Amino acid sequence: NAGVTQTPKFRILKIGQSMTLQCTQDMNHNYMYWYRQDPGMGLKLIYYSVGAGITDKGEVPNGYNVSRSTTEDFPLRLELAAPSQTSVYFCASRPGQNTDTQYFGPGTRLTVL
Amino acid sequence: KQEVTQIPAALSVPEGENLVLNCSFTDSAIYNLQWFRQDPGKGLTSLLLIQSSQREQTSGRLNASLDKSSGRSTLYIAASQPGDSATYLCAVRGGGTGTASKLTFGTGTRLQVTL
Repeated sequence: NAGVTQTPKFRILKIGQSMTLQCTQDMNHNYMYWYRQDPGMGLKLIYYSVGAGITDKGEVPNGYNVSRSTTEDFPLRLELAAPSQTSVYFCASRPGQNTDTQYFGPGTRLTVL
Repeated sequence: KQEVTQIPAALSVPEGENLVLNCSFTDSAIYNLQWFRQDPGKGLTSLLLIQSSQREQTSGRLNASLDKSSGRSTLYIAASQPGDSATYLCAVRGGGTGTASKLTFGTGTRLQVTL
């Protein structure tokens, strides 16, 4: 049981490039989340999903896209990377509506130059 | 819009001391409050979750209290150890639906426990 895994751990992008941050959980959790954490700041919600095929915007969705084709995977797509997207990205999951505890992945540190 | 503040931003204490971390939030209409631990280069680990109807939760040397009406929570760590060194974040879940029911995080308190 690996929990929530994220790849890659680190990435440097040039302005205008695109990439996909991968997130996988093996706990059969329905809910999954993407957050970003800027230096010295709290986490901000980008997108979330309450089950396969269902996604919704969070607090800061601009510049990102997500998909949820399976329960296990919740990739985050960055199109036309900008320096403002330099951050640490965390994926999290939780079992369902009756449990509030979220389980976090180790994060992806992204730098856009 | 919910705002969560944590004071102090950083704290250094000698091993063995008892300490209190503070968290305040602007909108008292919350569903619950969580305290998380974040180690450098790692994700967050949930420590304690307090429902809005509860006053406190305890786990080992950790005790979290909640005063919803005043918009405050404290995390008490007894007999601190060097292994407690980490950043501690609090997060509140709103009482509404959609994005309003999602977690709003504070900026964290970076704790260092020295020998």
